[in-house]
Amino acid sequence: EDQVTQSPEALRLQEGESSSLNCSYTVSGLRGLFWYRQDPGKGPEFLFTLYSAGEEKEKERLKATLTKKESFLHITAPKPEDSATYLCAVQALSMSQGAQKLVFGQGTRLTINP
Amino acid sequence: GAVVSQHPSRVICKSGTSVKIECRSLDFQATTMFWYRQFPKQSLMLMATSNEGSKATYEQGVEKDKFLINHASLTLSTLTVTSAHPEDSSFYICSARVTVDGRLQPQHFGDGTRLSIL
Repeated sequence: EDQVTQSPEALRLQEGESSSLNCSYTVSGLRGLFWYRQDPGKGPEFLFTLYSAGEEKEKERLKATLTKKESFLHITAPKPEDSATYLCAVQALSMSQGAQKLVFGQGTRLTINP
Repeated sequence: GAVVSQHPSRVICKSGTSVKIECRSLDFQATTMFWYRQFPKQSLMLMATSNEGSKATYEQGVEKDKFLINHASLTLSTLTVTSAHPEDSSFYICSARVTVDGRLQPQHFGDGTRLSIL
């Protein structure tokens, strides 16, 4: 069964304190891995898509990397406005009925203190 | 680009009422739209996958007669919660995916509908 596990569940950092969020996955062939940011009471906002091991994507203070078993979301010198829940999701290569589905992790609640 | 609009953002109504939620892709055509439900401090739970012009595919445990989905055009899908009861109170979120040949495209999400049944 396809599975996505994110850690830590919650993370508090001081402004400017860099860190990484982890997303471990088990799928029967990866078609794509997605990172989203979700603010309270809002829908998820798309950040990155990663397709194959070794791939990296960057946007402002965020950098996403991918290996065959996990993805990291590195946040460099974060600011209070980076506080949000970060969700990781994967889509498998399975040709079954559920082939279009995303499997989401539980998310990491990130808080950046000024 | 890739903006998804969901309406209404909040609904409060009496038990037994039916509620319709709209999901529109504003600047792209979406062959496939998805409906999710999210409980407090939990991740998204897929309810159904909606393909334009065909019947929706419901996830196991989701009552298709309770949650009616219509995807009549490439830019609009609706979710109707029929005869809603307090246990249907939740945050409902839709998403849409750009249809492009080749590489898998991300799902883009609406801002959700907070449904409260009294």
